[in-house]
Amino acid sequence: DGGITQSPKYLFRKEGQNVTLSCEQNLNHDAMYWYRQDPGQGLRLIYYSQIVNDFQKGDIAEGYSVSREKKESFPLTVTSAQKNPTAFYLCASRDPTGGTRYTFGSGTRLTVV
Amino acid sequence: RKEVEQDPGPFNVPEGATVAFNCTYSNSASQSFFWYRQDCRKEPKLLMSVYSSGNEDGRFTAQLNRASQYISLLIRDSKLSDSATYLCVVYNAGNMLTFGGGTRLMVKP
Repeated sequence: DGGITQSPKYLFRKEGQNVTLSCEQNLNHDAMYWYRQDPGQGLRLIYYSQIVNDFQKGDIAEGYSVSREKKESFPLTVTSAQKNPTAFYLCASRDPTGGTRYTFGSGTRLTVV
Repeated sequence: RKEVEQDPGPFNVPEGATVAFNCTYSNSASQSFFWYRQDCRKEPKLLMSVYSSGNEDGRFTAQLNRASQYISLLIRDSKLSDSATYLCVVYNAGNMLTFGGGTRLMVKP
């Protein structure tokens, strides 16, 4: 079945460390997105990529970095510059031929210890 | 001002009740509108799109008022399984979804 796989499901990081969250899709979608969700809050856009080898900052990109070397993969690195990284991270993709329909991964819960 | 605003709730209702959620959006050029459902610690899932003429899907009715920049979701005959957070989502030019903060619904026996 086609879908988006995020790994790991739970991740613990020590302060000052960088950590990379994986997002892989086999939907053949061009556009991919990273969102952050804090408790009781909506989703906020971190980075997005409309096509391979291109990506754009979202509303809260500071302290994060991404790459898009392959269509299937859009990893997110949470750097030590991100002051409050504990959150639920969601990856999504969009099929442009499907209009506005987004497919979400099941998320990664990152906790700084 | 947030681009998409919702009452966070929680709305506590008994089974069988009718409950309505509202949402306002600030960008008058917004093109499409949706309600997503999110269960605790899970990803959001599309509940229904919202059309200008209003639309219904079983017990769920969505309405859009473009003049007032207002979206609503009505749930009739609430079930325990309806307990979740409901996210109002707006799609703008540039292929971006903008999410409201969500309204939490708790249906009690």
